[in-house]
Amino acid sequence: DADVTQTPRNRITKTGKRIMLECSQTKGHDRMYWYRQDPGLGLRLIYYSFDVKDINKGEISDGYSVSRQAQAKFSLSLESAIPNQTALYFCATSDRRQAGANVLTFGAGSRLTVL
Amino acid sequence: KQEVTQIPAALSVPEGENLVLNCSFTDSAIYNLQWFRQDPGKGLTSLLLIQSSQREQTSGRLNASLDKSSGRSTLYIAASQPGDSATYLCAADIGDYKLSFGAGTTVTVRA
Repeated sequence: DADVTQTPRNRITKTGKRIMLECSQTKGHDRMYWYRQDPGLGLRLIYYSFDVKDINKGEISDGYSVSRQAQAKFSLSLESAIPNQTALYFCATSDRRQAGANVLTFGAGSRLTVL
Repeated sequence: KQEVTQIPAALSVPEGENLVLNCSFTDSAIYNLQWFRQDPGKGLTSLLLIQSSQREQTSGRLNASLDKSSGRSTLYIAASQPGDSATYLCAADIGDYKLSFGAGTTVTVRA
């Protein structure tokens, strides 16, 4: 099984629908992230969490919310999806105990299409 | 704000040729520079990490250099193989556990 699992892997939905993307990890890492990737753009950080009680906005958090249900689970929600939220979404984790660098482990991605 | 640029956006080479991938960043105050590989349908895989105090890092056929003063990093892949076909992304660690990513260079190695 993958260290970082994202569900669903692909989702097509309509404008205005509520969508939840889920992420679970078996790495035992304390830090979890949600990124968005659009063609021609680098990954952009949506939200990140350093532990269950610590949630932080990234550079593009508008229109998104997150929930850290447990150390191993971090969900991303789109309360009312819009077409420009069509993108590839990645969950990632890292370990605060790793000295000297923030090395991320990524999930395989969730491709979301909003019609 | 840190801006990370990767040029070219795509590259096609014959098998056996050496690959040179470029990454530039606008703010030299980085903690480290990371290179990732992205395959279709899969997540990003970390390839190399160069600390800000280092000039280069090597792993097998891969070698990455870092010149903070000029805001540049280069990833060299020696003797390319079709299995090297992927998108390569660089990311600057700007602190506070945040990475600023480039858009990537998509590499095709022709057999």
